[in-house]
Amino acid sequence: NAGVTQTPKFQVLKTGQSMTLQCAQDMNHNSMYWYRQDPGMGLRLIYYSASEGTTDKGEVPNGYNVSRLNKREFSLRLESAAPSQTSVYFCASSFNTGTRGWNYGYTFGSGTRLTVV
Amino acid sequence: AQSVTQLDSQVPVFEEAPVELRCNYSSSVSVYLFWYVQYPNQGLQLLLKYLSGSTLVKGINGFEAEFNKSQTSFHLRKPSVHISDTAEYFCAVSQTGANNLFFGTGTRLTVIP
Repeated sequence: NAGVTQTPKFQVLKTGQSMTLQCAQDMNHNSMYWYRQDPGMGLRLIYYSASEGTTDKGEVPNGYNVSRLNKREFSLRLESAAPSQTSVYFCASSFNTGTRGWNYGYTFGSGTRLTVV
Repeated sequence: AQSVTQLDSQVPVFEEAPVELRCNYSSSVSVYLFWYVQYPNQGLQLLLKYLSGSTLVKGINGFEAEFNKSQTSFHLRKPSVHISDTAEYFCAVSQTGANNLFFGTGTRLTVIP
């Protein structure tokens, strides 16, 4: 089925370990996003990539890096995990700006539940 | 900058009763407005959207929302809820021409049999 695929679905890290969350979409979307979801705080944008070759910081970028590997793939890296990064991470994609993009909205992956101990 | 306020963090309602989930936004420019639904352990799904035109927007699963520019609101309604509507609902806003969505903190709707 077409959509956004995130791996892994679950991960436990020790403080200071590093890891990369993978995201791939097969809908030919231009833009991709990483959000984190915390109880009572909704979804907050970490980084986004408006198009292949570009990345920009969102609301909460500290402690993260991203790579837009190609049009399909957008990865999120935690270089030195901290307990404050315990969260559920969602990747999303969309067409670019304009009516076409917003008519379809964002498509979300099913999330990665990360625990840092 | 935009912000979204969902005043009710939890809304319990009996099955077949009507429900309204409130959303207010702040923005000095034109906006696009969205409601997303998240079922347990799943990602978010688009419920409905307002881009332009009619202020009453109909979405999936019998939900509708009304854009009120003067009150900067985009409340979500359903005349008769079902058990299967139990989920978390997020309101989101974007400036026209921008590429980012800003989400509210969510409202957990619990339908009681």
